[in-house]
Amino acid sequence: AQSVTQLDSQVPVFEEAPVELRCNYSSSVSVYLFWYVQYPNQGLQLLLKYLSGSTLVKGINGFEAEFNKSQTSFHLRKPSVHISDTAEYFCAVSHSGGGADGLTFGKGTHLIIQP
Amino acid sequence: DTEVTQTPKHLVMGMTNKKSLKCEQHMGHRAMYWYKQKAKKPPELMFVYSYEKLSINESVPSRFSPECPNSSLLNLHLHALQPEDSALYLCASSRGQGAGEETQYFGPGTRLLVL
Repeated sequence: AQSVTQLDSQVPVFEEAPVELRCNYSSSVSVYLFWYVQYPNQGLQLLLKYLSGSTLVKGINGFEAEFNKSQTSFHLRKPSVHISDTAEYFCAVSHSGGGADGLTFGKGTHLIIQP
Repeated sequence: DTEVTQTPKHLVMGMTNKKSLKCEQHMGHRAMYWYKQKAKKPPELMFVYSYEKLSINESVPSRFSPECPNSSLLNLHLHALQPEDSALYLCASSRGQGAGEETQYFGPGTRLLVL
């Protein structure tokens, strides 16, 4: 079984400040890691994903994340946020064992950008 | 085109009604998913179809009945639902068999209210 912990339910940040959203996972098998964003009344959009290789992953909208196997973390960062980044952010995992699999999501972090 | 469409956008139904949710994609994807998202919660996987065959059923009650008539279309038939089934129902698709590394593309969801 796999699980995802997002330590912060809500993160307020001033516009143009940097932000880090934290994600830790646990799994008995190798996993793939994802960050999705959900704007109000919309579906989810992929920001970035880690499958293998370089542990620093760059995504859309200026976001990046670093996979840390020893700390079982996959924190999301952005150096300078904008009002338009206000949304719910979900960290998710899937297993790498082959065959069909869905995503297991963390509880989400609401990013609030203050002017 | 990375669009997944879902109809209807909103649905209100009584506990004795029968209704269906529809999801469509024209990206040539061969895996399709249903997720349920309660208010202020993360999405939870319900079903995965891989090459039009049901691959995963996450112990969903039989009042939810999925159907995949062809590779572009996914339905969710609803019957005798309970008020606690009120939620946002999200459809997603991915390119291959639905393996863990595949990016899932989400539709905007159908917001269901059961009275």
